[in-house]
Amino acid sequence: AQSVTQPDIHITVSEGASLELRCNYSYGATPYLFWYVQSPGQGLQLLLKYFSGDTLVQGIKGFEAEFKRSQSSFNLRKPSVHWSDAAEYFCAALDTGRRALTFGSGTRLQVQP
Amino acid sequence: DAGVTQSPTHLIKTRGQQVTLRCSPKSGHDTVSWYQQALGQGPQFIFQYYEEEERQRGNFPDRFSGHQFPNYSSELNVNALLLGDSALYLCASSSSVLAGVRGAQYFGPGTRLTVL
Repeated sequence: AQSVTQPDIHITVSEGASLELRCNYSYGATPYLFWYVQSPGQGLQLLLKYFSGDTLVQGIKGFEAEFKRSQSSFNLRKPSVHWSDAAEYFCAALDTGRRALTFGSGTRLQVQP
Repeated sequence: DAGVTQSPTHLIKTRGQQVTLRCSPKSGHDTVSWYQQALGQGPQFIFQYYEEEERQRGNFPDRFSGHQFPNYSSELNVNALLLGDSALYLCASSSSVLAGVRGAQYFGPGTRLTVL
């Protein structure tokens, strides 16, 4: 079955430090991949998306993600974290056959001053 | 440009009751998807509407039904509510025709449903 896995439930980083959130997918073909961010009690905001082509994609708020087919990964990175980045981050894949997003279970990011 | 809007923001119901949630898609979008997000979990796909018809459905019982109107807005109906239906219900809209953003779904703020 197609799935998205986020191995880290909770990550704490210091403000100004770099960040990498992990995401692995299991699909028969290369899916479309996304990262969303969710602040407490809020909906999901699209950070970035990968469809094809360049494996390093840039998103909003200084985030980027790298698609690695050999590792079935799509990790999210940010060089310097700000306190306002504290939130829940979801990796998702688009099942083009079903047109439905499949989400990972999320990674909660805490930022220490 | 208004994004995806949902109403109401919060809702409290009792077991066995019925509820209707509403969604207006982002301007220019014609496809609406509904997701259920239980506490501490990622969203789960319920169904998707396009051209006023249910196009795809996730693993949810028939108690969950929906509708899409000619203006592309949508409703999610849940009958015979169970305690386990308590969740954040998210609506997402997308465009079937916009090149370059295919597959990108934009989410509303959600409706928090509590079933007592």
